[in-house]
Amino acid sequence: AQSVTQLDSQVPVFEEAPVELRCNYSSSVSVYLFWYVQYPNQGLQLLLKYLSGSTLVKGINGFEAEFNKSQTSFHLRKPSVHISDTAEYFCAVSDHYGGSQGNLIFGKGTKLSVKP
Amino acid sequence: GAGVSQSPSNKVTEKGKDVELRCDPISGHTALYWYRQSLGQGLEFLIYFQGNSAPDKSGLPSDRFSAERTGGSVSTLTIQRTQQEDSAVYLCASSRYSDEQYFGPGTRLTVT
Repeated sequence: AQSVTQLDSQVPVFEEAPVELRCNYSSSVSVYLFWYVQYPNQGLQLLLKYLSGSTLVKGINGFEAEFNKSQTSFHLRKPSVHISDTAEYFCAVSDHYGGSQGNLIFGKGTKLSVKP
Repeated sequence: GAGVSQSPSNKVTEKGKDVELRCDPISGHTALYWYRQSLGQGLEFLIYFQGNSAPDKSGLPSDRFSAERTGGSVSTLTIQRTQQEDSAVYLCASSRYSDEQYFGPGTRLTVT
């Protein structure tokens, strides 16, 4: 079964600094990868997704992630964070996309705290 | 347009009581998912509906949990004889077929 590991449960960072949130997944023949963000008391919002093609994926709010098959990683990055990026970020994987079963397997989440 | 809605937003119940949680998916979305978010377990898949196919119930933690989806739209998650460990935020998501999932705001369930 697929699994996802988010190596950092909490990441504190100063405003305008770069940030990287790490995500590793268990290997599979085909895998589809996602990053979601959850602001306090809200549902999950999709930041970006990797389905195929270019390994560098750009998402909303200036975030990007790079799919690395050899390292089974999908780390999320932003070159300069804002206070408003304070939220919890979830990495997720699915074996299927557009098929008959698409439930997501989530990591435990990383709480990003941006300080002024 | 309207997103996924869930009701109630908060529910406090006594141990042993039954609860029903409701999800209204985005109109036209054929797939509907329930997840549970708790401090100890993170985000866990519970059940998945796709069109008229039999639901995938592989994530339901016990037979006290059940869900139905009427008319291919609204879904109800029922927890019978609630236990304290059922306290969590229950999230619903929907998608067209099985592509990008859109999440609702969740129902926070507290079992006292």
